[in-house]
Amino acid sequence: DTAVSQTPKYLVTQMGNDKSIKCEQNLGHDTMYWYKQDSKKFLKIMFSYNNKELIINETVPNRFSPKSPDKAHLNLHINSLELGDSAVYFCASSLGQFNQPQHFGDGTRLSIL
Amino acid sequence: SQQGEEDPQALSIQEGENATMNCSYKTSINNLQWYRQNSGRGLVHLILIRSNEREKHSGRLRVTLDTSKKSSSLLITASRAADTASYFCATDARSRNNDMRFGAGTRLTVKP
Repeated sequence: DTAVSQTPKYLVTQMGNDKSIKCEQNLGHDTMYWYKQDSKKFLKIMFSYNNKELIINETVPNRFSPKSPDKAHLNLHINSLELGDSAVYFCASSLGQFNQPQHFGDGTRLSIL
Repeated sequence: SQQGEEDPQALSIQEGENATMNCSYKTSINNLQWYRQNSGRGLVHLILIRSNEREKHSGRLRVTLDTSKKSSSLLITASRAADTASYFCATDARSRNNDMRFGAGTRLTVKP
């Protein structure tokens, strides 16, 4: 009965590879997000989707692309991985865009060799 | 760029004591939220306080908001070892398409 689940929990791969992280929420929320947390614990928003439309796209390299097959899923695809992509990536969801608490998954720790 | 900045960066107290963490931000906000993150886990929402509110309570948690000073505080009373975690404040503002900005957090350690 996990509310926001993301897979895999750990991802170790080599520079230059392409990888995907999946996220699913069973809360019936309208908005989903991807965040990146660096080694200093700074949490930065990357993308958010509301009703399958991208509504925020921070200054993220276009190697990163979110894909939402339906309202309950927001996957993150990363092409040509670089060393600096090593971080913990969190998926989150909320009921609507405004003034709502966000529910987070437990993160995917991505390590680039 | 980060919006919220928590202070202190780290706090260590004994079980039973109160813990106060502060958050400052730079731009006008719609609301401010506090989250907790246990090691290796995702963030858990604690309290949301709107810009027209000054104080909110939830169990042992008390949050204040001073929009004139652009600051907020989170007070945890009668702390427990299980409160050991990182605490983050997050703000959103319509001027930023309502995306939330997080600080780097305060690492709280409660010693049994």
